[in-house]
Amino acid sequence: EAQVTQNPRYLITVTGKKLTVTCSQNMNHEYMSWYRQDPGLGLRQIYYSMNVEVTDKGDVPEGYKVSRKEKRNFPLILESPSPNQTSLYFCASSLLGRLTSSYNSPLHFGNGTRLTVT
Amino acid sequence: AQKITQTQPGMFVQEKEAVTLDCTYDTSDQSYGLFWYKQPSSGEMIFLIYQGSYDEQNATEGRYSLNFQKARKSANLVISASQLGDSAMYFCAMREGLDEYGNKLVFGAGTILRVKS
Repeated sequence: EAQVTQNPRYLITVTGKKLTVTCSQNMNHEYMSWYRQDPGLGLRQIYYSMNVEVTDKGDVPEGYKVSRKEKRNFPLILESPSPNQTSLYFCASSLLGRLTSSYNSPLHFGNGTRLTVT
Repeated sequence: AQKITQTQPGMFVQEKEAVTLDCTYDTSDQSYGLFWYKQPSSGEMIFLIYQGSYDEQNATEGRYSLNFQKARKSANLVISASQLGDSAMYFCAMREGLDEYGNKLVFGAGTILRVKS
C-alpha cells in the first residue's frame, strides 16, 4: 500500500531533550516536506526537500532540522524542544516536476505526530 | 497578506443538504493549483479535489465540486447530500511557484463542518 509513515503518533517530552520524528514513504517520491498544524493557523511548512541531500527552509524553520540521506526517509529533528513547538506535525510527499502538469499532484500526508513539550 | 482565506471557522449543515465552504486566495501567478483536504477527528489529511488555474470546467469528484471563480479569486467547495461522516475540518490550499518552491502547498486556517442528523 502506498503510504507515508510517521512515528511516533504521540510524543510527550520535556524542554531541551532532543527528539527525532521519523518519516518514510514508499512511493518513490522526490519531494518531501514537514508541516506543523496549529489552531487558527492551518498548516505551515517547516522544511522541504526536492531530492536526496537537497533541503530548504519553509515558512517556520526555527528550532528544527532535517536531513535527506535516502530518498524514502525525511526525519525531523528538534535539537532542543521548547513548549512553543507543541503542535501536530505532518510529513508529506509527492512527485516533483517543474511542468505545469505537476500542479495537480497532491501531497500525500502521513497520519501526523502529536507532540507535547512541557 | 494571507494567501488563502477561509472566513468560516465553523459551519453546521443538516444531513442530506448541500453546503458550501468558502475559500479565497491571493496570487499574482498565472499558473497555480487549488486543493481541498478533509481532516476527520482521527487527524489524517485526505485529499478531496483539485482545480487548476487553466481549467475551464469546475472540478467534480463524486459529491464534491469546486465552484471556481477565477476573476474573484475564489475556490469554494460544495458538498452535496451531506452525510454524518462529512463532519470534519476542511482545508483549502494553493500551490504556486512550482519552479521555486517545488510542490509546496499554502493552507488556509480551515473550516470545521458539523453535519446534524
